[in-house]
Amino acid sequence: DADVTQTPRNRITKTGKRIMLECSQTKGHDRMYWYRQDPGLGLRLIYYSFDVKDINKGEISDGYSVSRQAQAKFSLSLESAIPNQTALYFCATSEGGSYSYEQYFGPGTRLTVT
Amino acid sequence: AQSVAQPEDQVNVAEGNPLTVKCTYSVSGNPYLFWYVQYPNRGLQFLLKYITGDNLVKGSYGFEAEFNKSQTSFHLKKPSALVSDSALYFCAVRDVDTGGFKTIFGAGTRLFVKA
Repeated sequence: DADVTQTPRNRITKTGKRIMLECSQTKGHDRMYWYRQDPGLGLRLIYYSFDVKDINKGEISDGYSVSRQAQAKFSLSLESAIPNQTALYFCATSEGGSYSYEQYFGPGTRLTVT
Repeated sequence: AQSVAQPEDQVNVAEGNPLTVKCTYSVSGNPYLFWYVQYPNRGLQFLLKYITGDNLVKGSYGFEAEFNKSQTSFHLKKPSALVSDSALYFCAVRDVDTGGFKTIFGAGTRLFVKA
């Protein structure tokens, strides 16, 4: 979706390095999410933010941190990357006000930690 | 606790035949149910959702899904498959009463449509 962009699209890094994945959206949504996708496991929630001042841990937040710089920007950081963080990472957005709204996903960042 | 099961890792169907991708769920309260599709090298795209009302919901690209409360299922269907439907499909659930915002995704089912 062009409305939700992620950079970089692919990244190879070494164990112990710090890396930041960035997400921007033009949908005007308040809610933003970071997921990781692993084969056979579906998507798992890392962090979510309901607005700029509201950031919450998801089910697998250990080893990750986030920053919501503006309504449109939500970054995910790996402070010290490890090989088991090799995965496909997705940013998503949704409207606020109701839990019935669907999510809109970015194209993903494929991260490899060697 | 919420959970979603997609019992088939892969579904194979011939073009023009009907297709079904299965999904069952477990929630404590009332569910909001979603189907998403993922094409190669793309993010997930929303297909359809069940919130309330008619048990049969229609979505994008000719897909539909039927909510069955007694069987706790939300199977995705299409009357006539196209080769271009080949993709990875995810079922997802939110427990409205206890889970709120949190969406639980199934592991995904890969659909292959053969010409």
